[in-house]
Amino acid sequence: DQQVKQNSPSLSVQEGRISILNCDYTNSMFDYFLWYKKYPAEGPTFLISISSIKDKNEDGRFTVFLNKSAKHLSLHIVPSQPGDSAVYFCAAPTSGTYKYIFGTGTRLKVLA
Amino acid sequence: GAGVSQTPSNKVTEKGKYVELRCDPISGHTALYWYRQSLGQGPEFLIYFQGTGAADDSGLPNDRFFAVRPEGSVSTLKIQRTERGDSAVYLCASSLRAGHASGYTFGSGTRLTVV
Repeated sequence: DQQVKQNSPSLSVQEGRISILNCDYTNSMFDYFLWYKKYPAEGPTFLISISSIKDKNEDGRFTVFLNKSAKHLSLHIVPSQPGDSAVYFCAAPTSGTYKYIFGTGTRLKVLA
Repeated sequence: GAGVSQTPSNKVTEKGKYVELRCDPISGHTALYWYRQSLGQGPEFLIYFQGTGAADDSGLPNDRFFAVRPEGSVSTLKIQRTERGDSAVYLCASSLRAGHASGYTFGSGTRLTVV
């Protein structure tokens, strides 16, 4: 079964600096990996995805890197802003294209 | 509607009672999912609907949990004989089709507390 691990429960970064959030998965799948952002009392919001055939996807301040040999994803936010403070979940596909396994999340705090 | 709507936003119930949680997906989204998020955990898959049928209910923890989507739009998650361990935020999500790269659109969830 697919397992997803986000080993850093929290991260603090100064405004304007780079935030790097990491995620490891166990099973290689030919599909998309996803990152979600969650504010308190709201549902997770889709942030960025990466196809398993790519190694990088960039969208504005957000870039996701995929290292397939290491089964590792990372999300880079640069420059970090106070509004980026939230919990970030990565999600990896499992059986079928509809089912995702989520990590436990990393709480990012961007200090002004 | 503009987003995924879940009602109620909060539900407190006594152990052993029956509860229903409702989800209104985005209009036109054929795929609907229920996830459960316990404290300190990520969302955990419960069930997936494609249209009216439950295409995959492998995440439902036991037979006290049941979900329906009779007309392919609104879905109801039903929990019988609730237990304190059922306390969690229940999240509903919808997508235009399964496997869409932009992932799901989640609702704000229903926070269920069993006392």
